[in-house]
Amino acid sequence: AQKITQTQPGMFVQEKEAVTLDCTYDTSDQSYGLFWYKQPSSGEMIFLIYQGSYDEQNATEGRYSLNFQKARKSANLVISASQLGDSAMYFCAMREPVSGGYNKLIFGAGTRLAVHP
Amino acid sequence: DGGITQSPKYLFRKEGQNVTLSCEQNLNHDAMYWYRQDPGQGLRLIYYSQIVNDFQKGDIAEGYSVSREKKESFPLTVTSAQKNPTAFYLCASRQKGGRVGELFFGEGSRLTVL
Repeated sequence: AQKITQTQPGMFVQEKEAVTLDCTYDTSDQSYGLFWYKQPSSGEMIFLIYQGSYDEQNATEGRYSLNFQKARKSANLVISASQLGDSAMYFCAMREPVSGGYNKLIFGAGTRLAVHP
Repeated sequence: DGGITQSPKYLFRKEGQNVTLSCEQNLNHDAMYWYRQDPGQGLRLIYYSQIVNDFQKGDIAEGYSVSREKKESFPLTVTSAQKNPTAFYLCASRQKGGRVGELFFGEGSRLTVL
């Protein structure tokens, strides 16, 4: 069965510095997708970045980048130039195919990031 | 604006009562999902639906029921059979063929059993 592991319950970072949030995964599939979502205190989940298992380049979206190391089965999120608004819960997720061409996502336990001024 | 609307945002229930959480989307998405979130844990899938009048159990479906009579609506009923219903519930949707696997989420409903 697929599994996502986030080993950092909480992280602190100084404003304007970079921070890395760890994510490791376990799957026997050759084709898979990895996601990062942000959950602010309001509760909604906000999509940040996606990495496909066959993508040759690491994904980037603005200040977010995904450090994808396939052999190590890790997909760490890097946030550059942290801002106070980055304080939130961050979840790593993996796509699990289901019949009919759709997918479901399985999630890690999350990492709470606090950005200090 | 297009999006997903969940209601109510906060709900209190007495033990033994059923309660229904509403989820409506105007994104014209085919697939809809219900997730449960507990403190210190990630999201766990309760039910999902890929088309109208069809739905499948997720990983923790016991004590829950759903219906999908309309494309835009996917209500979740938390029944009295659910032993520990206090949690944060998130509804999501996805368009087939959209960015691979990306889900759009509502703002959630927080259920507390008194």
